[in-house]
Amino acid sequence: EIVMTQSPATLSVSPGERATLSCRASQSVSSNLAWYQQKPGQAPRLLIYGASTRATGIPARFSGSGSGTEFTLTISSLQSEDFAVYYCQQNNKWPLTFGGGTKVEIK
Amino acid sequence: EVQLVESGGGLVQPGGSLRLSCAASGFTFSSYAMSWVRQAPGKGLEWVSAITGSGGSTYYADSVKGRFTISRDNSKNTLYLQMNSLRAEDTALYYCAKGQPISYFDYWGQGTLVTVSS
Repeated sequence: EIVMTQSPATLSVSPGERATLSCRASQSVSSNLAWYQQKPGQAPRLLIYGASTRATGIPARFSGSGSGTEFTLTISSLQSEDFAVYYCQQNNKWPLTFGGGTKVEIK
Repeated sequence: EVQLVESGGGLVQPGGSLRLSCAASGFTFSSYAMSWVRQAPGKGLEWVSAITGSGGSTYYADSVKGRFTISRDNSKNTLYLQMNSLRAEDTALYYCAKGQPISYFDYWGQGTLVTVSS
């Protein structure tokens, strides 16, 4: 199975600052990569699919990049509502697999 | 508005069985594949199983293969997960999620909690 590795596990950022989250695949997933945001007590929410396409209603401060095995989610200017856990997921090959998550916390 | 509402979770003893349901609305249910994704307490997300829109093809994670069965009733807009031979490590919040086969998940339910314990 394709192993997805996210780094860092925790990212401490001040409101208004930029956050950069990484996701690495153990083999190429082409651009078949999605990002999700999960807040405590809530279901995950789709942010990005196809590595770089924002889902409906997602603010432009969220952007995704990368292909193959290296991917990045960037939040250009963190808002209070952005503090959450972020997961990447590959949808290139069965079984579908998720990364372990990056928690973005207030610095 | 897309809505996915899971039900059927609860406390079950090791070796027991449980059937989860997910009632869908707000979209043409039979046109979309559906999946179950679980999250153990305090842990990350794990894809469990998927089924195509017609129900003709199913997919499973190795951790549940042979024990869990995914199915759907398109006349009732409902997705199911039959879970047998449950183990402590199956304890998790189970989400149903909408998405095409081998794809991302654009809508998620709020989850139903399964606890396997004696």
